[in-house]
Amino acid sequence: KAGVTQTPRYLIKTRGQQVTLSCSPISGHRSVSWYQQTPGQGLQFLFEYFSETQRNKGNFPGRFSGRQFSNSRSEMNVSTLELGDSALYLCASSSSDPLVGELFFGEGSRLTVL
Amino acid sequence: KNEVEQSPQNLTAQEGEFITINCSYSVGISALHWLQQHPGGGIVSLFMLSSGKKKHGRLIATINIQEKHSSLHITASHPRDSAVYICAVLYLTGNQFYFGTGTSLTVIP
Repeated sequence: KAGVTQTPRYLIKTRGQQVTLSCSPISGHRSVSWYQQTPGQGLQFLFEYFSETQRNKGNFPGRFSGRQFSNSRSEMNVSTLELGDSALYLCASSSSDPLVGELFFGEGSRLTVL
Repeated sequence: KNEVEQSPQNLTAQEGEFITINCSYSVGISALHWLQQHPGGGIVSLFMLSSGKKKHGRLIATINIQEKHSSLHITASHPRDSAVYICAVLYLTGNQFYFGTGTSLTVIP
């Protein structure tokens, strides 16, 4: 059974640009959640989608957005990039409510903003 | 404030030692997760707890709801256990995870 796949694995952008990251969950999983990890702030919850609907959202500005498609694949977008957006972005899939069920993480997308 | 505190921040152990990592939180929770992150970034979910105790191989996780505290124990530690261990909680009043800062474990052969 294939795991959670995130693309791209590494990318470099400049301030003001936007970026789109992709997450393909484990087959059959309908929930996808996103997380940001930085050396200073550690892991932080971004948002969670289930059956194409955003169910939960963390404390991030509106520049951070996401969506989920009918095949459960999810994308997150960060607009008007800032230096502080440099981070490892992780997604996780779950067959049930991820806030109380088991999470399966991807390897992450490492974003560098110059 | 939804704080999650882990201790110790860093831990070095000799192979074979019994290891304990602690996680404390401030208010009532729905669930607590223990995560393991190896160098390079990949995260593995070890346990999800809402009460009591769970065991998987050499790993044991316990939670005391009244004391708002959870522990992760590793018996007979091995160098492959070297990783960062992170606890994450879901508070009863919220709908998002709050994470501890992680415990960096190094097991020396």
